[in-house]
Amino acid sequence: EADIYQTPRYLVIGTGKKITLECSQTMGHDKMYWYQQDPGMELHLIHYSYGVNSTEKGDLSSESTVSRIRTEHFPLTLESARPSHTSQYLCASSEFGEAYGYTFGSGTRLTVV
Amino acid sequence: KNEVEQSPQNLTAQEGEFITINCSYSVGISALHWLQQHPGGGIVSLFMLSSGKKKHGRLIATINIQEKHSSLHITASHPRDSAVYICAAHRYGGSQGNLIFGKGTKLSVKP
Repeated sequence: EADIYQTPRYLVIGTGKKITLECSQTMGHDKMYWYQQDPGMELHLIHYSYGVNSTEKGDLSSESTVSRIRTEHFPLTLESARPSHTSQYLCASSEFGEAYGYTFGSGTRLTVV
Repeated sequence: KNEVEQSPQNLTAQEGEFITINCSYSVGISALHWLQQHPGGGIVSLFMLSSGKKKHGRLIATINIQEKHSSLHITASHPRDSAVYICAAHRYGGSQGNLIFGKGTKLSVKP
């Protein structure tokens, strides 16, 4: 079944640790996105990709980095987690062009203690 | 002022009631999305529309491009409709994939 998968679903980690949030989609979509959402607030784009080897920063400044080595995989990495990184991170994908809908993952709720 | 405004912020309804959530935007758009976010955090795309009206089951979405306004209607509401409903505008000519999100409307349907 075509879908988008995020792991882990929940993560509690200590300050200073390196973490990678995984995102994979099985739809062959060229465009993928990472959004950050604080409780009760709107989503903000932190990274996006047009395709393999393409990554761009979004509107919200983030200390995280992303890579796109394969079409289906768009991991997000924090080299040194801090309490200010505590948030929900949502991955999404869409086909190329403005007339297509988005598919969202279930999100990763990150808590840095 | 946000470029995408939703109202109301919170809405409580009795089961069976007709519900309307409104979204106004101030930028030129190529499409508008209605999304549903359940307490677990995952988001489901309900509609994407650029003109007129779309219907799916008990959900209806309308958009008026001239007035820069969209509405999401739920007929015969049910407790399982309880969620946060998010309006997102795909800015016309903006950077690829740049959706501007509203803050969401938290709907609670009581049995």
